[in-house]
Amino acid sequence: RKEVEQDPGPFNVPEGATVAFNCTYSNSASQSFFWYRQDCRKEPKLLMSVYSSGNEDGRFTAQLNRASQYISLLIRDSKLSDSATYLCVVNFLTGGGNKLTFGTGTQLKVEL
Amino acid sequence: DADVTQTPRNRITKTGKRIMLECSQTKGHDRMYWYRQDPGLGLRLIYYSFDVKDINKGEISDGYSVSRQAQAKFSLSLESAIPNQTALYFCATSDLNGHNEQFFGPGTRLTVL
Repeated sequence: RKEVEQDPGPFNVPEGATVAFNCTYSNSASQSFFWYRQDCRKEPKLLMSVYSSGNEDGRFTAQLNRASQYISLLIRDSKLSDSATYLCVVNFLTGGGNKLTFGTGTQLKVEL
Repeated sequence: DADVTQTPRNRITKTGKRIMLECSQTKGHDRMYWYRQDPGLGLRLIYYSFDVKDINKGEISDGYSVSRQAQAKFSLSLESAIPNQTALYFCATSDLNGHNEQFFGPGTRLTVL
């Protein structure tokens, strides 16, 4: 089982739609969680951090369910510019310090 | 100016050549990381450093070495490049006092022929 699992998509949605991505993780000792956005051939950029039950930033809402070990990202009123790959990232403490584990990403395509 | 920079941005080399990738940061972060990204795989950690001259292996360190001689710089070397090291390489930094949010450089696209 992968440590962090995401549906690869692609999710094709019309402009203005609401779309949600889920991510599951296997390590119950995970401490903090992030969503990164990655455009094609570019670097991942931090979109949201999730430390407690959730976080909201404008059109973006992240939810954390520790009991079920999943994180979700909701995007409301999708824009063409939201088209990208969204990486679910989990941070947990190991003997060597904090370690990030990356999902393979969910691709979003917002269409006219 | 970008906070995390990488050079070169693109490199084509031949099997058996030695190559060095450089990373510099102006964020003042103590921690630096090297990852590689391959199609269909998540980013995988090669090496990381929590301070000058501190070096730690990641999950795929074989065939790579690193050097951290200054807080702002972290270099990755491929002593004898092989074709399966063709990938997109990212450097990242994080703050000692944060929750391990990492900030990435623009990446180096390496092709080994």
